[in-house]
Amino acid sequence: AQSVTQPDIHITVSEGASLELRCNYSYGATPYLFWYVQSPGQGLQLLLKYFSGDTLVQGIKGFEAEFKRSQSSFNLRKPSVHWSDAAEYFCAVGADTGRRALTFGSGTRLQVQP
Amino acid sequence: DAGVTQSPTHLIKTRGQQVTLRCSPISGHKSVSWYQQVLGQGPQFIFQYYEKEERGRGNFPDRFSARQFPNYSSELNVNALLLGDSALYLCASSLGLAGATDTQYFGPGTRLTVL
Repeated sequence: AQSVTQPDIHITVSEGASLELRCNYSYGATPYLFWYVQSPGQGLQLLLKYFSGDTLVQGIKGFEAEFKRSQSSFNLRKPSVHWSDAAEYFCAVGADTGRRALTFGSGTRLQVQP
Repeated sequence: DAGVTQSPTHLIKTRGQQVTLRCSPISGHKSVSWYQQVLGQGPQFIFQYYEKEERGRGNFPDRFSARQFPNYSSELNVNALLLGDSALYLCASSLGLAGATDTQYFGPGTRLTVL
């Protein structure tokens, strides 16, 4: 069964600082990986996705993520955080066969200090 | 184009009651999935429907049921509500059944509170 672990429940960074959110996955085949962001009281917005090819993926809002098969990781990064980035971030893994649902991690809440 | 829409936005019910949540997918999308997000956790998959047929089901009791209509909109029904059913219910739509490569777009959710 596939699973996703986000080790950091809560992260606080200063505005303008760099950010890295960790995500580790467990999946038997080639994973399809996603990062979503959820602002308070809102649904999920897709930031970026990895299916194959280049292991460094660019997304919206200046985010990027790197797929590392050897470490089973798909960490999300941003060089300079803005106050509007404060939200909850979810990593998810999907399957291309069988049950095609997304399996989400428990999320990382990002707080941005002025 | 409008995104995924869900109604109602908020709902308060008491234990034992039944509830129906509604979802309209993005125009042209034929697949709808439902997720439950309990406070402080990530979303958990409940159902996926495609062309009015159930194509996937998560680990939820039979009190949970859903259906998809010819216009691809969907309803999620929950019977005999329990306190633990309090959650944000998210609907996601995608073009078809191309697996995980078919990006899912989420609606704003319905906040269900069971008292």
